[in-house]
Amino acid sequence: NAGVIQTPRHKVTGKGQEATLWCEPISGHSAVFWYRQTIVQGLEFLTYFRNQAPIDDSGMPKERFSAQMPNQSHSTLKIQSTQPQDSAVYLCASSLFLNTEVFFGKGTRLTVV
Amino acid sequence: QQQVRQSPQSLTVWEGGTTVLTCSYEDSTFNYFPWYQQFPGEGPALLISILSVSDKKEDGRFTTFFNKREKKLSLHIIDSQPGDSATYFCAARASSFSKLVFGQGTSLSVVP
Repeated sequence: NAGVIQTPRHKVTGKGQEATLWCEPISGHSAVFWYRQTIVQGLEFLTYFRNQAPIDDSGMPKERFSAQMPNQSHSTLKIQSTQPQDSAVYLCASSLFLNTEVFFGKGTRLTVV
Repeated sequence: QQQVRQSPQSLTVWEGGTTVLTCSYEDSTFNYFPWYQQFPGEGPALLISILSVSDKKEDGRFTTFFNKREKKLSLHIIDSQPGDSATYFCAARASSFSKLVFGQGTSLSVVP
């Protein structure tokens, strides 16, 4: 079991460009979560899916952020018109069911210059 | 209030000593409390967790205590080792919400 796989591990984008982050959850896990980690804000919830359906996106900045889960083996987080304040580590996590243990990937460090 | 407060922000202990980290929360619907350990460049890794029906859970050198009345939990690491140097996060979840709410983290340094 390779765990939750996130690609790329590092991404540098210019201000105003689009960034797409990829996540492959643990096989068989039905819930997929996205978090953002910064020094100032800590670990912030963004959104989650259950059986590929979006359930709660209350943490997502509405205008430029979007997440999808087109199939059970991957999810994407897309940030349009990236801004320097979007620089953070974006973490994907999965769990077998909604209220079971949550396993995190290594994260994607996004730097917006 | 869906908020978890964690202290201290940073901590240095001698090798072989006992580390104690604490967290508090407001939301009485929280019923699951995991602790995560994170090394630089890695994602958080589940260390130990406790349900609100328990008051103590032990796993090797790591023990977590839960006090429902005071809405507090703690993580004790006995015989702390330099390899334990990492950032530790407490978290909380209510069964109805499913998302984890994290504390701000404690940066632990264990010096030989």
